[in-house]
Amino acid sequence: EVQLLESGGDLVQPGGSLRLSCAASGFTFSSTAMNWVRQAQGEGLEWVSVISGNGDTTKYGDSVKGRFTISRDNSRDTLYLQMNSLRAEDTAVYYCAKCPGSCQYNYFDNWGQGTLVTVSS
Amino acid sequence: DIQLTQSPSFLSASVGDRVTITCRASQGISSYLAWCQQKPGKAPKLLIYAASTVQSGVPSRFSGSGFGTEFTLTISSLQPEDFATYYCQQLDSYPLTFGGGTKVEIK
Repeated sequence: EVQLLESGGDLVQPGGSLRLSCAASGFTFSSTAMNWVRQAQGEGLEWVSVISGNGDTTKYGDSVKGRFTISRDNSRDTLYLQMNSLRAEDTAVYYCAKCPGSCQYNYFDNWGQGTLVTVSS
Repeated sequence: DIQLTQSPSFLSASVGDRVTITCRASQGISSYLAWCQQKPGKAPKLLIYAASTVQSGVPSRFSGSGFGTEFTLTISSLQPEDFATYYCQQLDSYPLTFGGGTKVEIK
């Protein structure tokens, strides 16, 4: 059974940093592109970032480019999101989501349960 | 960036109703469109991918159609467990984008 378990969400001050993790199991992690998607309270879904299975290719949404870094450790089956220079508008539940292989021309077939990031003084 | 416009944004319907949600893309995306369902406090769940392929385990009352810029999600007979918010998502090009969502509530 595929499982994606996010952690690391917390209350952080504006300008601060936070690292989220997503522990994966039940599939061949290194063969699977992974994403972060976020959702502010009462709002819709916003794609944040994607990383290829081997970690060589990453892409970001415009709102986080230059501030967030996606990475992965295939030896630990874990996905990360390093978030720097956090702003109030980054406050959201952050989900990790996998694709069956690559993501472009494909789909997100499994999602984690999410972790809450709150940016506030 | 490709914009996805869902309509309606809110829908009130009764159990047994046929429900159709539309998603329009700002440019052609072939059939690289997915639909997901989200219930309050829960993660999204994939329903449809490649515009019309029903994900394994999803009830057959859900169907999708469309190509290019116009897509639809249809629920043939609304069930109590279908009251939720539905999102379309394009996977044609980066940045990947979602529609604004359609909330389906009980009439």
